[in-house]
Amino acid sequence: QKEVEQDPGPLSVPEGAIVSLNCTYSNSAFQYFMWYRQYSRKGPELLMYTYSSGNKEDGRFTAQVDKSSKYISLFIRDSQPSDSATYLCAISSLGRLYFGRGTQLTVWP
Amino acid sequence: EPEVTQTPSHQVTQMGQEVILRCVPISNHLYFYWYRQILGQKVEFLVSFYNNEISEKSEIFDDQFSVERPDGSNFTLKIRSTKLEDSAMYFCASRPDQTYEQYFGPGTRLTVT
Repeated sequence: QKEVEQDPGPLSVPEGAIVSLNCTYSNSAFQYFMWYRQYSRKGPELLMYTYSSGNKEDGRFTAQVDKSSKYISLFIRDSQPSDSATYLCAISSLGRLYFGRGTQLTVWP
Repeated sequence: EPEVTQTPSHQVTQMGQEVILRCVPISNHLYFYWYRQILGQKVEFLVSFYNNEISEKSEIFDDQFSVERPDGSNFTLKIRSTKLEDSAMYFCASRPDQTYEQYFGPGTRLTVT
């Protein structure tokens, strides 16, 4: 079942670039949207959580949700080499999370 | 900052053996989850647990799997008779009552030989 689609990349950008990561989903019942960062062989680390359409900002990170298009995005401003990781979108109705495949990001100095 | 912990970090077992993976969720959280991630694949939901019972399980979570909260702090996943295809990272997650964001532990890497 392709509940959540995410381009796996890899994505390689220079330090300071703006990064855009995206996911689409199929089920309009999904209400809760999360972005996780995962380093190799580690657990997903929650970055952003939102439940409404529009933008939510936290430091250099902005999460954007468009429920009408079933499209979510994560923007990273002024990207740093320490941002190099795999970014996972995760979407939920009331319980289980449905994850995208993850986008592997490398920020080079 | 409170976090989910998991033990062991790596478990190697032979096919057909039983394994128990352990998790300590964040202390005031009420909902608990197990997910797994086969190398190179998506993180997949296994089971959710609330109020001492399973609230939802996936098609992966068959009779070989069971979960338990044996005391007020631990949450365990048991695989009765491991298969080669059970080799994966297993993640425990928990969430509080009023919101839906889930916090993950560092994972247990299970290798079945």
